[in-house]
Amino acid sequence: LAKTTQPISMDSYEGQEVNITCSHNNIATNDYITWYQQFPSQGPRFIIQGYKTKVTNEVASLFIPADRKSSTLSLPRVSLSDTAVYYCLVVLNAGNNRKLIWGLGTSLAVNP
Amino acid sequence: NAGVTQTPKFQVLKTGQSMTLQCAQDMNHNSMYWYRQDPGMGLRLIYYSASEGTTDKGEVPNGYNVSRLNKREFSLRLESAAPSQTSVYFCASSEDGSRANSPLHFGNGTRLTVT
Repeated sequence: LAKTTQPISMDSYEGQEVNITCSHNNIATNDYITWYQQFPSQGPRFIIQGYKTKVTNEVASLFIPADRKSSTLSLPRVSLSDTAVYYCLVVLNAGNNRKLIWGLGTSLAVNP
Repeated sequence: NAGVTQTPKFQVLKTGQSMTLQCAQDMNHNSMYWYRQDPGMGLRLIYYSASEGTTDKGEVPNGYNVSRLNKREFSLRLESAAPSQTSVYFCASSEDGSRANSPLHFGNGTRLTVT
């Protein structure tokens, strides 16, 4: 049974690159890894998703090694406004019965 | 576009009372979800609706019922509230729940306290 594990918390400073790694065993080749960001009193917000190698958009990059047992969300040059909880989600692509396996979230604190 | 709208934002109930949490989306999405979020337990799926007219149980359905009223609206009902149902409830939608690359869009939640 697939499970996602991520660090509970991380600290960083403004301007640094932050990498948050999620471990996920037993995922198939076409299962997706998705990351969400959540601010207090708001719902999670989609950041990025992929299922292999590297994906980049305007806010983040997602690195997925060949063995797909982990993935890394990379936030370049963080600012104070990036302080939030980041969730790793594995979407098991099982047709009409797709399953969503959420991590427990990583609380990122960006310091001045 | 408002996205996913949840009402109410806050609610306090006494044990045994009932209430319905409302959710509506204006993105013409097919699939809708109800999650609860508790400290240390992350997001847990209560019920989901893959498409209009269908609903299925998630991980923690006990004590809840749902209605997919139409394509836009998906409500969650607590028939007899219990303190264990104190939580933050999130509604979400996705364009096509059968596609792994169809991301979820969340509302801003309902904070429910049961005393």
